[in-house]
Amino acid sequence: AQSVTQLDSHVSVSEGTPVLLRCNYSSSYSPSLFWYVQHPNKGLQLLLKYTSAATLVKGINGFEAEFKKSETSFHLTKPSAHMSDAAEYFCVVSDPDTGNQFYFGTGTSLTVIP
Amino acid sequence: DVKVTQSSRYLVKRTGEKVFLECVQDMDHENMFWYRQDPGLGLRLIYFSYDVKMKEKGDIPEGYSVSREKKERFSLILESASTNQTSMYLCASSKRTDYNSPLHFGNGTRLTVT
Repeated sequence: AQSVTQLDSHVSVSEGTPVLLRCNYSSSYSPSLFWYVQHPNKGLQLLLKYTSAATLVKGINGFEAEFKKSETSFHLTKPSAHMSDAAEYFCVVSDPDTGNQFYFGTGTSLTVIP
Repeated sequence: DVKVTQSSRYLVKRTGEKVFLECVQDMDHENMFWYRQDPGLGLRLIYFSYDVKMKEKGDIPEGYSVSREKKERFSLILESASTNQTSMYLCASSKRTDYNSPLHFGNGTRLTVT
């Protein structure tokens, strides 16, 4: 089975500074990788997905992520944090070898300081 | 856009009651999932279904059952609610024939069992 590790449970940044949320996954031939955002008392919203096309993936709200196979990483970045980015972020992997299963990281809580 | 609708945002039930959580999706997705989300434990899969009348146990099926009589609807049933089932419940759907298909989530149902 896949495993997904989000290396930071909490990240704090100042408004206007870059955001980096880190995600590593266990090896697979060609996983699909996703980042989701969850605002309080809401469901998870898809930010972006990697599906074996370009390694740099652009998502909504200015977020992007880079797939690095050699490092089995899929880190999420944003050049300039906005107050509305404060939320919980989840890295998710879908592995074709395990059919319909999705594997979740434990989440990173992002705080944006004004 | 895919829409996944959970019938209730907030529910308060008493211990021992039978509880139904309903989920409907409008994109003809084959796969549907029920997760629960608890602080510090992340998202845990309760049950999933990859077709009408088909169901598979997830990681924590004890105390729950599911029903999938129609493709668009997936119900989670708590046969006899207990206080340890107080949680946020999230329904999701995805397309089975495309493993690159992301999960699409509803807004969640926050269940309190007293």
